[in-house]
Amino acid sequence: AQRVTQPEKLLSVFKGAPVELKCNYSYSGSPELFWYVQYSRQRLQLLLRHISRESIKGFTADLNKGETSFHLKKPFAQEEDSAMYYCASRRTDKLIFGTGTRLQVFP
Amino acid sequence: DGGITQSPKYLFRKEGQNVTLSCEQNLNHDAMYWYRQDPGQGLRLIYYSQIVNDFQKGDIAEGYSVSREKKESFPLTVTSAQKNPTAFYLCASSIGTGQISNQPQHFGDGTRLSIL
Repeated sequence: AQRVTQPEKLLSVFKGAPVELKCNYSYSGSPELFWYVQYSRQRLQLLLRHISRESIKGFTADLNKGETSFHLKKPFAQEEDSAMYYCASRRTDKLIFGTGTRLQVFP
Repeated sequence: DGGITQSPKYLFRKEGQNVTLSCEQNLNHDAMYWYRQDPGQGLRLIYYSQIVNDFQKGDIAEGYSVSREKKESFPLTVTSAQKNPTAFYLCASSIGTGQISNQPQHFGDGTRLSIL
């Protein structure tokens, strides 16, 4: 079965520190992967997707097929990055979400 | 902001009672989805609909029912058969599925359902 694993429930860092939120997937085909973010009192929203190879709010994520990973990275965390982050993989016409990682950035 | 509207924000259900959660979108999206969010379990798909008058079961459809009579609306009924209905329910929509399946899903604000 296709799965998305986010091993960390909580990640706490200080402002200015690098951040890496881990995501591993299991899928035999060509995966389509996404990162969604939910800030406090806001809706869940798309942060970025691997096919776009984009950088949003300083975040990047590279698909590593060898390690079946799609880790989300930012070199210098900001307090406003504090949120819940979900990794997701598309399975045919559905999204499979990981359990999420809460990022806390302390001043 | 607009886009997807879920109502009510909070809902209470008595034992043995069916309740319906509303989801409306004005984005002209073909596909709509219902997820359940529980602490430590992420989002799990209940039902989804790719087009009007059509819907498919997700991973945890037991105890739930849906309808898709209009493109804009995808109500979810939590039936008395759902033994653990207390959760946060999220509705989402996307342009479509299939060849443009990489389009992002847009989410509503959610409905929190509790048992009295």
